Amino acid sequence: SQQGEEDPQALSIQEGENATMNCSYKTSINNLQWYRQNSGRGLVHLILIRSNEREKHSGRLRVTLDTSKKSSSLLITASRAADTASYFCATDWRGSGNTGKLIFGQGTTLQVKP
Amino acid sequence: ETGVTQSPTHLIKTRGQQVTLRCSSQSGHNTVSWYQQALGQGPQFIFQYYREEENGRGNFPPRFSGLQFPNYSSELNVNALELDDSALYLCASRPDLGPNSPLHFGNGTRLTVT
Repeated sequence: SQQGEEDPQALSIQEGENATMNCSYKTSINNLQWYRQNSGRGLVHLILIRSNEREKHSGRLRVTLDTSKKSSSLLITASRAADTASYFCATDWRGSGNTGKLIFGQGTTLQVKP
Repeated sequence: ETGVTQSPTHLIKTRGQQVTLRCSSQSGHNTVSWYQQALGQGPQFIFQYYREEENGRGNFPPRFSGLQFPNYSSELNVNALELDDSALYLCASRPDLGPNSPLHFGNGTRLTVT
């Protein structure tokens, strides 16, 4: 079963608004990553936050990590129609050793209306 | 553009048949992982190969097998196909085994089993 749970499952906003997606997980992690997937295509890595980091920025993206609550959030500021996609959090849990196993959530589908 | 290519893009097979999916990783990426993504779900880890040896496996039966070659190409083989094997199969590579190394995904192969 998948470890990550994302909230909301779907989000619809107007262009220019901010979009916030949340992710919860269950075990100790090395890092948490966010990926984006356009319809039917591969995933694109957005940002990686290590377990000893609390906040990270990349362009219009802001990610927070709260290891005590086992949760993370992804904020996209000033959204654009081109941001329409599915967004997944993925955890690299400490028990995986070097197997490379990422555990993905079920994703949040974001629609940004022009 | 991640530099990871997969073939074919789409495939239709009949239950009971066997299928081979192919992936070409970025040059220098010694680690390749395969994921299965059912419709509306997040990707699930199948296995990972490092320097031509499997070093991690998810909850998939032995009829899912793989190969990695020295030229950064790899294969996913599935025997005795079942209807539930219908999914998007994603290949992802990264340079090494380090836990804080993000994955570079291909665009996937859409497999339909009838």
